[in-house]
Amino acid sequence: EPEVTQTPSHQVTQMGQEVILRCVPISNHLYFYWYRQILGQKVEFLVSFYNNEISEKSEIFDDQFSVERPDGSNFTLKIRSTKLEDSAMYFCASTGLPTLSSYNSPLHFGNGTRLTVT
Amino acid sequence: TQLLEQSPQFLSIQEGENLTVYCNSSSVFSSLQWYRQEPGEGPVLLVTVVTGGEVKKLKRLTFQFGDARKDSSLHITAAQTGDTGLYLCAGAPDYGQNFVFGPGTRLSVLP
Repeated sequence: EPEVTQTPSHQVTQMGQEVILRCVPISNHLYFYWYRQILGQKVEFLVSFYNNEISEKSEIFDDQFSVERPDGSNFTLKIRSTKLEDSAMYFCASTGLPTLSSYNSPLHFGNGTRLTVT
Repeated sequence: TQLLEQSPQFLSIQEGENLTVYCNSSSVFSSLQWYRQEPGEGPVLLVTVVTGGEVKKLKRLTFQFGDARKDSSLHITAAQTGDTGLYLCAGAPDYGQNFVFGPGTRLSVLP
């Protein structure tokens, strides 16, 4: 079964450094997402991406964050200058077209990148 | 901002017992999904419910979507240790693809 893959699985960086988290969504999916989950807390929406542009973003997704789909397969999240509070699991997800029975297709998640900012 | 609440936050039961966990909101959702997440992994979809009042069964798991599409429940019959995990509900608003997650119910099934 096709799956969403994320690299690296764990990234340690110093405060103020830039990080790029990488994702390969399922190949025929059209919508791409980044979510984050701070340890012990809820899964929080960051951004959705469709047709090569951001379709929606949350308050968390400030100017320090950016997303890109540099080629036909990768979807990246860049944090320009990391802060201690950016430490979290970052999940990439993708969905296909809405089905006949549901306006919203289910999210397929990767296994996440654990970002630790020291 | 549409919010989802889940209860209970934690649940610890013995193998063989039945349980129900709840997902509630003051907002209407076009669909609601249940996921299970295990440590170190991403959430895995269990079910999507779309129609108000809908009931879906997945082996020992029964999911119900409220008539008003604001709430949902997950009932597990004869729980097994393999059911242990974090159960998340996620709702999609009437328009758009952005999913909002609840805080989850952490279930522990003891042998």
